[in-house]
Amino acid sequence: GAGVSQSPSNKVTEKGKDVELRCDPISGHTALYWYRQRLGQGLEFLIYFQGNSAPDKSGLPSDRFSAERTGESVSTLTIQRTQQEDSAVYLCASSFWDRPNYGYTFGSGTRLTVV
Amino acid sequence: AQTVTQSQPEMSVQEAETVTLSCTYDTSESDYYLFWYKQPPSRQMILVIRQEAYKQQNATENRFSVNFQKAAKSFSLKISDSQLGDAAMYFCAFFYQGGSEKLVFGKGTKLTVNP
Repeated sequence: GAGVSQSPSNKVTEKGKDVELRCDPISGHTALYWYRQRLGQGLEFLIYFQGNSAPDKSGLPSDRFSAERTGESVSTLTIQRTQQEDSAVYLCASSFWDRPNYGYTFGSGTRLTVV
Repeated sequence: AQTVTQSQPEMSVQEAETVTLSCTYDTSESDYYLFWYKQPPSRQMILVIRQEAYKQQNATENRFSVNFQKAAKSFSLKISDSQLGDAAMYFCAFFYQGGSEKLVFGKGTKLTVNP
């Protein structure tokens, strides 16, 4: 696609429920990144994919968080048993594998609210 | 690990005037990349300007320019002839290829442009 697409744009869920957030990167971008942005804060790295594998999962805050990527394309971030502290904007970005130093292209994010 | 510090949580500027946003970083590497991203209320992160550390010349993109001081590990953004559309969060970011392979962000500066 022309840009990085994320869905849903907004999600309200009850505490304890599972949620899935989706990211469609730019076609041909084999590198994909997930970041979390809490209200008024900077971007916190969660996980990085190169193709379908994740060489760096160091930012995932707990085992309730997981992510996968298939077909070197779509990625899904899953949060199980959501907690109120999971409320944040989740941003996805992508880049060419050999040119991450040119910067990433970001999506508009999913705003997750846990009530 | 690399860190990025933005010491100004908020800044304001009058329309048509010039404003400078500060950023400092910490790294032991000599070859890296620095970025400024803009995040308007739409949430999408937009790349404003990019600097390669091995280049001494400061990057410029239209009304946006940087003052890159490698020895001081400082990377400030100057916005000239400020426009109402420049109002946004601005994030400074660091990238080292060969290291963690991910952008590391500061906490951001909220810029208000007054008419």
